[in-house]
Amino acid sequence: DTAVSQTPKYLVTQMGNDKSIKCEQNLGHDTMYWYKQDSKKFLKIMFSYNNKELIINETVPNRFSPKSPDKAHLNLHINSLELGDSAVYFCASSLRQYNEKLFFGSGTQLSVL
Amino acid sequence: AQSVAQPEDQVNVAEGNPLTVKCTYSVSGNPYLFWYVQYPNRGLQFLLKYITGDNLVKGSYGFEAEFNKSQTSFHLKKPSALVSDSALYFCAVRETGANNLFFGTGTRLTVIP
Repeated sequence: DTAVSQTPKYLVTQMGNDKSIKCEQNLGHDTMYWYKQDSKKFLKIMFSYNNKELIINETVPNRFSPKSPDKAHLNLHINSLELGDSAVYFCASSLRQYNEKLFFGSGTQLSVL
Repeated sequence: AQSVAQPEDQVNVAEGNPLTVKCTYSVSGNPYLFWYVQYPNRGLQFLLKYITGDNLVKGSYGFEAEFNKSQTSFHLKKPSALVSDSALYFCAVRETGANNLFFGTGTRLTVIP
Protein backbone atom coordinates (compact mmCIF):
# COMPACT_ATOMS: atom_id res chain seq x y z
CA ASP A 1 0.00 0.00 0.00
CA THR A 2 1.21 3.47 -0.87
CA ALA A 3 1.78 5.47 2.31
CA VAL A 4 1.19 8.94 0.86
CA SER A 5 -0.72 9.00 -2.39
CA GLN A 6 -1.59 12.02 -4.46
CA THR A 7 -3.64 12.35 -7.61
CA PRO A 8 -3.35 13.12 -10.39
CA LYS A 9 0.28 12.40 -11.21
CA TYR A 10 0.20 14.73 -14.20
CA LEU A 11 -2.05 17.73 -14.73
CA VAL A 12 -1.99 19.78 -17.92
CA THR A 13 -4.37 22.71 -18.11
CA GLN A 14 -4.96 26.13 -19.60
CA MET A 15 -4.32 29.45 -17.90
CA GLY A 16 -7.32 30.68 -15.96
CA ASN A 17 -8.68 27.24 -15.14
CA ASP A 18 -9.37 25.94 -11.63
CA LYS A 19 -7.89 22.59 -10.60
CA SER A 20 -7.50 20.40 -7.53
CA ILE A 21 -4.87 17.95 -6.36
CA LYS A 22 -5.82 15.32 -3.81
CA CYS A 23 -3.64 13.77 -1.14
CA GLU A 24 -4.27 10.91 1.24
CA GLN A 25 -2.02 9.23 3.81
CA ASN A 26 -2.68 5.87 5.43
CA LEU A 27 0.04 6.16 8.06
CA GLY A 28 -2.11 7.52 10.84
CA HIS A 29 -0.04 10.72 10.90
CA ASP A 30 -1.33 13.90 12.48
CA THR A 31 0.43 16.42 10.26
CA MET A 32 0.30 16.96 6.51
CA TYR A 33 2.05 19.37 4.17
CA TRP A 34 2.08 20.78 0.68
CA TYR A 35 5.42 21.63 -0.92
CA LYS A 36 6.14 23.21 -4.28
CA GLN A 37 9.23 22.21 -6.28
CA ASP A 38 10.14 24.56 -9.10
CA SER A 39 12.02 23.82 -12.31
CA LYS A 40 15.35 24.31 -10.51
CA LYS A 41 14.33 21.68 -7.95
CA PHE A 42 13.98 24.28 -5.18
CA LEU A 43 11.55 22.91 -2.61
CA LYS A 44 9.41 25.28 -0.59
CA ILE A 45 6.73 24.71 2.04
CA MET A 46 3.31 26.07 1.17
CA PHE A 47 0.94 24.83 3.86
CA SER A 48 0.85 22.53 6.83
CA TYR A 49 -2.10 21.11 8.74
CA ASN A 50 -2.01 19.43 12.12
CA ASN A 51 -5.13 17.44 13.02
CA LYS A 52 -7.09 19.32 10.36
CA GLU A 53 -5.97 22.72 11.62
CA LEU A 54 -3.84 25.05 9.53
CA ILE A 55 -0.46 25.67 11.22
CA ILE A 56 1.72 26.91 8.39
CA ASN A 57 0.60 29.24 5.65
CA GLU A 58 3.60 30.61 3.84
CA THR A 59 3.48 33.51 1.43
CA VAL A 60 1.33 31.84 -1.18
CA PRO A 61 -1.21 33.59 -3.43
CA ASN A 62 -4.73 33.27 -2.11
CA ARG A 63 -5.61 31.49 -5.34
CA PHE A 64 -4.22 28.45 -3.53
CA SER A 65 -6.58 27.03 -0.93
CA PRO A 66 -5.86 23.87 1.07
CA LYS A 67 -8.66 21.81 2.53
CA SER A 68 -8.37 19.07 5.12
CA PRO A 69 -11.66 17.17 5.55
CA ASP A 70 -9.97 14.82 8.02
CA LYS A 71 -6.45 14.27 9.21
CA ALA A 72 -5.78 11.63 6.55
CA HIS A 73 -6.53 14.00 3.67
CA LEU A 74 -5.13 17.32 2.54
CA ASN A 75 -6.30 18.59 -0.82
CA LEU A 76 -5.02 21.61 -2.72
CA HIS A 77 -7.33 23.72 -4.86
CA ILE A 78 -5.91 26.30 -7.23
CA ASN A 79 -8.05 29.01 -8.82
CA SER A 80 -7.27 31.01 -11.94
CA LEU A 81 -4.12 29.10 -12.81
CA GLU A 82 -1.15 31.09 -14.08
CA LEU A 83 1.91 30.08 -16.09
CA GLY A 84 4.10 30.53 -13.01
CA ASP A 85 2.13 27.88 -11.16
CA SER A 86 3.78 25.22 -13.31
CA ALA A 87 5.79 23.06 -10.93
CA VAL A 88 5.77 19.75 -9.14
CA TYR A 89 3.59 19.76 -6.05
CA PHE A 90 4.40 17.32 -3.27
CA CYS A 91 2.18 16.24 -0.46
CA ALA A 92 3.88 14.94 2.68
CA SER A 93 2.98 13.78 6.16
CA SER A 94 4.67 13.33 9.51
CA LEU A 95 3.70 11.52 12.67
CA ARG A 96 3.17 14.77 14.51
CA GLN A 97 4.07 18.43 14.37
CA TYR A 98 7.82 19.06 14.76
CA ASN A 99 8.56 15.51 13.66
CA GLU A 100 10.91 15.97 10.76
CA LYS A 101 10.73 12.52 9.29
CA LEU A 102 8.50 13.45 6.42
CA PHE A 103 6.92 10.90 4.11
CA PHE A 104 6.40 12.31 0.64
CA GLY A 105 3.99 11.43 -2.10
CA SER A 106 5.36 10.92 -5.60
CA GLY A 107 4.34 14.39 -6.75
CA THR A 108 1.93 16.02 -9.18
CA GLN A 109 3.50 17.60 -12.23
CA LEU A 110 1.36 20.64 -13.04
CA SER A 111 1.82 22.26 -16.44
CA VAL A 112 -0.10 25.44 -17.18
CA LEU A 113 -0.26 26.32 -20.88
CA ALA B 1 16.18 33.14 10.15
CA GLN B 2 17.13 29.64 9.14
CA SER B 3 18.90 28.82 5.91
CA VAL B 4 20.87 26.03 4.36
CA ALA B 5 23.35 26.02 1.49
CA GLN B 6 24.45 23.23 -0.77
CA PRO B 7 27.39 24.73 -2.65
CA GLU B 8 27.58 22.07 -5.35
CA ASP B 9 24.82 21.60 -7.90
CA GLN B 10 26.45 18.44 -9.22
CA VAL B 11 28.83 15.86 -7.77
CA ASN B 12 30.32 13.08 -9.86
CA VAL B 13 32.09 10.12 -8.31
CA ALA B 14 33.32 6.78 -9.58
CA GLU B 15 31.62 3.65 -8.32
CA GLY B 16 33.42 2.26 -5.28
CA ASN B 17 34.97 5.60 -4.34
CA PRO B 18 33.95 7.55 -1.24
CA LEU B 19 31.45 10.33 -1.77
CA THR B 20 30.75 13.59 0.01
CA VAL B 21 27.81 15.94 -0.53
CA LYS B 22 28.29 19.26 1.22
CA CYS B 23 25.85 21.27 3.32
CA THR B 24 26.26 24.32 5.51
CA TYR B 25 23.57 25.94 7.61
CA SER B 26 22.63 29.07 9.47
CA VAL B 27 20.16 29.10 12.37
CA SER B 28 19.45 30.89 15.60
CA GLY B 29 20.13 28.50 18.43
CA ASN B 30 20.60 24.77 18.04
CA PRO B 31 19.98 23.25 14.63
CA TYR B 32 18.02 20.19 13.71
CA LEU B 33 19.61 18.87 10.51
CA PHE B 34 18.42 16.36 7.93
CA TRP B 35 19.24 14.70 4.65
CA TYR B 36 16.67 13.56 2.14
CA VAL B 37 17.12 11.81 -1.21
CA GLN B 38 14.95 12.13 -4.31
CA TYR B 39 15.04 9.51 -7.03
CA PRO B 40 13.67 10.39 -10.49
CA ASN B 41 9.91 10.93 -10.56
CA ARG B 42 9.63 10.18 -6.85
CA GLY B 43 9.02 12.10 -3.68
CA LEU B 44 11.79 12.76 -1.20
CA GLN B 45 12.85 10.01 1.17
CA PHE B 46 14.28 10.56 4.63
CA LEU B 47 17.92 9.46 5.00
CA LEU B 48 19.07 10.63 8.42
CA LYS B 49 18.86 13.37 11.01
CA TYR B 50 20.94 15.08 13.67
CA ILE B 51 19.18 16.42 16.75
CA THR B 52 21.72 16.09 19.52
CA GLY B 53 24.42 13.70 20.72
CA ASP B 54 27.13 12.10 18.59
CA ASN B 55 28.35 14.28 15.77
CA LEU B 56 28.46 11.32 13.38
CA VAL B 57 24.99 10.18 12.42
CA LYS B 58 24.31 6.97 10.53
CA GLY B 59 21.33 6.63 8.22
CA SER B 60 19.76 4.54 5.51
CA TYR B 61 21.58 2.83 2.63
CA GLY B 62 25.00 3.12 4.30
CA PHE B 63 25.00 6.92 4.38
CA GLU B 64 26.29 8.94 7.29
CA ALA B 65 26.66 12.62 8.05
CA GLU B 66 28.96 14.57 10.31
CA PHE B 67 27.76 17.55 12.30
CA ASN B 68 30.47 20.19 12.71
CA LYS B 69 29.32 23.05 14.88
CA SER B 70 32.38 25.24 14.41
CA GLN B 71 32.10 25.04 10.63
CA THR B 72 28.26 25.01 10.68
CA SER B 73 28.36 22.05 8.33
CA PHE B 74 26.52 18.76 7.97
CA HIS B 75 28.16 16.93 5.07
CA LEU B 76 26.71 13.66 3.80
CA LYS B 77 29.16 10.83 3.25
CA LYS B 78 29.39 7.26 2.11
CA PRO B 79 32.56 5.14 2.10
CA SER B 80 31.87 3.38 -1.20
CA ALA B 81 29.47 4.77 -3.80
CA LEU B 82 27.04 2.63 -5.77
CA VAL B 83 25.54 3.44 -9.15
CA SER B 84 22.15 3.17 -7.49
CA ASP B 85 23.08 6.09 -5.21
CA SER B 86 22.69 8.43 -8.20
CA ALA B 87 19.92 10.82 -7.21
CA LEU B 88 19.16 14.33 -5.98
CA TYR B 89 20.15 14.97 -2.36
CA PHE B 90 18.61 17.65 -0.17
CA CYS B 91 19.92 19.01 3.09
CA ALA B 92 17.32 20.54 5.42
CA VAL B 93 17.34 22.46 8.67
CA ARG B 94 14.88 23.44 11.34
CA GLU B 95 15.73 25.84 14.12
CA THR B 96 14.29 25.59 17.59
CA GLY B 97 10.75 26.91 17.67
CA ALA B 98 10.23 26.88 13.93
CA ASN B 99 7.34 24.90 12.52
CA ASN B 100 8.83 23.66 9.30
CA LEU B 101 11.90 22.38 7.53
CA PHE B 102 13.88 24.64 5.24
CA PHE B 103 15.40 22.74 2.34
CA GLY B 104 18.58 23.45 0.41
CA THR B 105 18.61 23.68 -3.36
CA GLY B 106 19.73 20.10 -3.81
CA THR B 107 22.86 18.39 -5.15
CA ARG B 108 22.68 15.95 -8.01
CA LEU B 109 24.94 12.98 -7.35
CA THR B 110 26.02 10.88 -10.30
CA VAL B 111 27.94 7.68 -9.64
CA ILE B 112 29.86 6.59 -12.71
CA PRO B 113 30.24 2.84 -13.32
